[in-house]
Amino acid sequence: ILNVEQSPQSLHVQEGDSTNFTCSFPSSNFYALHWYRWETAKSPEALFVMTLNGDEKKKGRISATLNTKEGYSYLYIKGSQPEDSATYLCALTMDSNYQLIWGAGTKLIIKP
Amino acid sequence: DTEVTQTPKHLVMGMTNKKSLKCEQHMGHRAMYWYKQKAKKPPELMFVYSYEKLSINESVPSRFSPECPNSSLLNLHLHALQPEDSALYLCASSQLQGYEQYFGPGTRLTVT
Repeated sequence: ILNVEQSPQSLHVQEGDSTNFTCSFPSSNFYALHWYRWETAKSPEALFVMTLNGDEKKKGRISATLNTKEGYSYLYIKGSQPEDSATYLCALTMDSNYQLIWGAGTKLIIKP
Repeated sequence: DTEVTQTPKHLVMGMTNKKSLKCEQHMGHRAMYWYKQKAKKPPELMFVYSYEKLSINESVPSRFSPECPNSSLLNLHLHALQPEDSALYLCASSQLQGYEQYFGPGTRLTVT
């Protein structure tokens, strides 16, 4: 059974602080690593897709890095705002069948 | 047009009914997905279509029957469902299988 693990499970951060969390995955047969932002009662929204070891992607205050050799990705949020409150899901695509294997998510709560 | 649409938004059906969920995208994406999502959990993959052919069936019971009539349209036919099938059913599409996915708003299904 393939596991994509995210930590921490939940995180409370003061508004204005920066934060980061982790996605760990098996490094064999790696194809791509996805990050999605999911607000309760809405559909997941794609943030990044990364394929190459050492990839770094950025969208506004949110950025992500990828290490395929050791099997982890970090998501960083700089200067957290209340609207960043959501669950951040990572998902792995392997080259065997290209389906997404989802992590359980990190629930981020920004305190005003 | 950069969105995935789903109809209906809500559906209540009895265990003997036959109904269908519809998903549409006009982004030229060649992969389409059905997911089932229970409250506060990440989406669970049900089916993947790639180039209008069923690519992945995640051992879904036969009371769920997918159909991809053309590259823009994906249906999920429902028959003899159980109350435990009540969930949010999400459709997604991606340029190709394994690429970043765009999710529709979902159909909230209740089986009585």
